[in-house]
Amino acid sequence: DTAVSQTPKYLVTQMGNDKSIKCEQNLGHDTMYWYKQDSKKFLKIMFSYNNKELIINETVPNRFSPKSPDKAHLNLHINSLELGDSAVYFCASSQDFHRGYTFGSGTRLTVV
Amino acid sequence: QQPVQSPQAVILREGEDAVINCSSSKALYSVHWYRQKHGEAPVFLMILLKGGEQKGHDKISASFNEKKQQSSLYLTASQLSYSGTYFCGTDGGSQGNLIFGKGTKLSVKP
Repeated sequence: DTAVSQTPKYLVTQMGNDKSIKCEQNLGHDTMYWYKQDSKKFLKIMFSYNNKELIINETVPNRFSPKSPDKAHLNLHINSLELGDSAVYFCASSQDFHRGYTFGSGTRLTVV
Repeated sequence: QQPVQSPQAVILREGEDAVINCSSSKALYSVHWYRQKHGEAPVFLMILLKGGEQKGHDKISASFNEKKQQSSLYLTASQLSYSGTYFCGTDGGSQGNLIFGKGTKLSVKP
């Protein structure tokens, strides 16, 4: 029973393509996040949603668009993929900031 | 406003101790600690709240000094399973936005 699940686990695609990553959590948490981890392991917040509403939108190119159909799902759609988008994308959720985040297993995106 | 972690990497023998530090240039209200094993997701270890309390998780404990704007993670009698990259995260101030440090890679050898 995976708490935060992401699909796909691996994604290899060509420059210019559009792709989506899906995330679902069964923890009943109100807040969900997308983080990007680059090749140097730096974890950077991209978006945060609370109960389907966008809370945080860090400096991310508008080619990235999150969508939250309900509070258990937060998907990430990326248009016109670029080489620099290659990274591991983690979805996370939390009920209370002070209880920590639960991360999904990550999606390794490789743009060629 | 990214917190600064030190050291960047540390290599230990089983049974040795280590300290990982996390400092910030801005006022801190809480510090999170996570461990990420190679190829896996970060896993929450503990949170330190304003008040200077020290918390523990097995033989891993941490302290938080809000006056000095820093936290330290203590790994005692390290085990092989402690290997991984440790991240501290601080409150970015935007409703639960967690800003992570660059990580400290810990390698425990037999």
